[in-house]
Amino acid sequence: DVKVTQSSRYLVKRTGEKVFLECVQDMDHENMFWYRQDPGLGLRLIYFSYDVKMKEKGDIPEGYSVSREKKERFSLILESASTNQTSMYLCASSTTGYEQYFGPGTRLTVT
Amino acid sequence: QQPVQSPQAVILREGEDAVINCSSSKALYSVHWYRQKHGEAPVFLMILLKGGEQKGHEKISASFNEKKQQSSLYLTASQLSYSGTYFCGTGPINNAGNMLTFGGGTRLMVKP
Repeated sequence: DVKVTQSSRYLVKRTGEKVFLECVQDMDHENMFWYRQDPGLGLRLIYFSYDVKMKEKGDIPEGYSVSREKKERFSLILESASTNQTSMYLCASSTTGYEQYFGPGTRLTVT
Repeated sequence: QQPVQSPQAVILREGEDAVINCSSSKALYSVHWYRQKHGEAPVFLMILLKGGEQKGHEKISASFNEKKQQSSLYLTASQLSYSGTYFCGTGPINNAGNMLTFGGGTRLMVKP
């Protein structure tokens, strides 16, 4: 079974802190994604990576950056967390042309 | 721009049928459907590709109208386990690497 794991299920951070969210997949997928999920807005793509060190901006990249140094690991970085970044963050991975596999999500609260 | 899903929410009795629609303003190459149960990760249901190819579960059916840039998911003889939020994700013609734009979701509740 494909497994996508995320470093934390729940995270509470203060405004201005630097936040790292990590995602690991075990199926050698070339594509990895970070989404943000808010009620009524569905899943919005923050960043996408199609290979090691390669990335593309999604629909809402402002305030976020990403890092992919190894194929199995994709990190989302909030350089200076703000309260409007309080949300559920979902990581996913896929092979091109096939379905995306999602991690369990990290619920981030910024106070 | 996100695809538009309709209805936003639907309540069914066990055994009833439902249709969930997904409409895009862009030309599409693919449509993905996922279901998310409360507190869980979204789970893949089906992929529909331009040209008619489909990949997915046998008990789920869907259609893809390329000209209208629309897809519909058909849930027949609903079961309690069908409850959850359904998302469509659309891939444009020039898609690279499976990038999808998801709709806002349709909440489905099946009651006994």
